[in-house]
Amino acid sequence: DAGVTQSPTHLIKTRGQQVTLRCSPKSGHDTVSWYQQALGQGPQFIFQYYEEEERQRGNFPDRFSGHQFPNYSSELNVNALLLGDSALYLCASSSPGGRSPLHFGNGTRLTVT
Amino acid sequence: AQSVTQLGSHVSVSEGALVLLRCNYSSSVPPYLFWYVQYPNQGLQLLLKYTSAATLVKGINGFEAEFKKSETSFHLTKPSAHMSDAAEYFCAVSDLSGADGLTFGKGTHLIIQP
Repeated sequence: DAGVTQSPTHLIKTRGQQVTLRCSPKSGHDTVSWYQQALGQGPQFIFQYYEEEERQRGNFPDRFSGHQFPNYSSELNVNALLLGDSALYLCASSSPGGRSPLHFGNGTRLTVT
Repeated sequence: AQSVTQLGSHVSVSEGALVLLRCNYSSSVPPYLFWYVQYPNQGLQLLLKYTSAATLVKGINGFEAEFKKSETSFHLTKPSAHMSDAAEYFCAVSDLSGADGLTFGKGTHLIIQP
């Protein structure tokens, strides 16, 4: 039973560029959440997707956007990258509708230069 | 609004000694509370969760935590530390729906001395 998978594992981008990160949830899960974990900090909630809609959003600017597909997989898009966007981006899935504990992927390490 | 405070960014114990990692929370509604562990270059793994049932919660790898409403605490303990317990530990809180996501503490790095 595959857990939460994220791609790519590492990414290097330049300031001002755009990036797309991908996540496949654990089998049987229908809700996907994204978190940003800066170095030495705890993860911070970006947003959650359920039934292909953004259900809730944390304190992140509109440069951060997402999408959920009919197969429950999800993408996180970040536009106009800033140096401060360098972090580990974690995807977590849960079911049903977000009420079960979160299962996390291993993350995508984004470095903005 | 919810918040979590983890006392001690680093905790060092000897192998075989008691592990105690502290977590205090603030929540305007009855909370769900969680402890996660993160090993280097990996995501977070759930250790245990409190969801308003028994106040003493047992988790994986011999860890347990006690919910104390009067102290707004949810400290994590393990009677005897093992070298493999060395990792980053995060306490987190959510409301009952989970829709607003988890609010995490800043983490405690557990060091095990041989």
